[in-house]
Amino acid sequence: SQKIEQNSEALNIQEGKTATLTCNYTNYSPAYLQWYRQDPGRGPVFLLLIRENEKEKRKERLKVTFDTTLKQSLFHITASQPADSATYLCALDNNNAGNMLTFGGGTRLMVKP
Amino acid sequence: GAVVSQHPSWVICKSGTSVKIECRSLDFQATTMFWYRQFPKQSLMLMATSNEGSKATYEQGVEKDKFLINHASLTLSTLTVTSAHPEDSSFYICSAGSKGGWGNQPQHFGDGTRLSIL
Repeated sequence: SQKIEQNSEALNIQEGKTATLTCNYTNYSPAYLQWYRQDPGRGPVFLLLIRENEKEKRKERLKVTFDTTLKQSLFHITASQPADSATYLCALDNNNAGNMLTFGGGTRLMVKP
Repeated sequence: GAVVSQHPSWVICKSGTSVKIECRSLDFQATTMFWYRQFPKQSLMLMATSNEGSKATYEQGVEKDKFLINHASLTLSTLTVTSAHPEDSSFYICSAGSKGGWGNQPQHFGDGTRLSIL
């Protein structure tokens, strides 16, 4: 069966450090992978999209990698700040379902001052 | 960026009540809108895909007679939870894609509706 796995345990890091979140998938062949941020009681906010033929994408302090061989995406936040504390969701387009997005369970990031 | 407005933000009502949730795309035309449900500390689960002017497509296990979706215009989709019961209590979120919302485009989400059925 298809699975998207993100670490369900919260990631706690110190302010200024780099946060790295992982998204692993099985039985998918996504052409696109997206990352979203979700704050408590709010809807997700789009951050980055990376295509299968792209190894890396950057936006300000954010960096996403996409390894289709390992079936894994890494999401990095450099120089992390307490304001970066949130839940981060990865989402894959599902070729078997009209390319609609399927979301992982999310990883909660806590950045301590 | 694209703005999606969802209303109401929270609802508390008695069992048996029907509740309507509105999702509006404020600055773009959304030919497709998506409705999700999210339980605490869990991921978003797609309930249905709503296409303007046609019937919604429901995911497996989602009762279409229970969750009525209407997408009468390019800027408005509604979800009505009919005869709601406590097990329907959840966080409901809509999203819209600027070009259909498929995997190659970001989805723009509303801020969700917290539904609590007593």
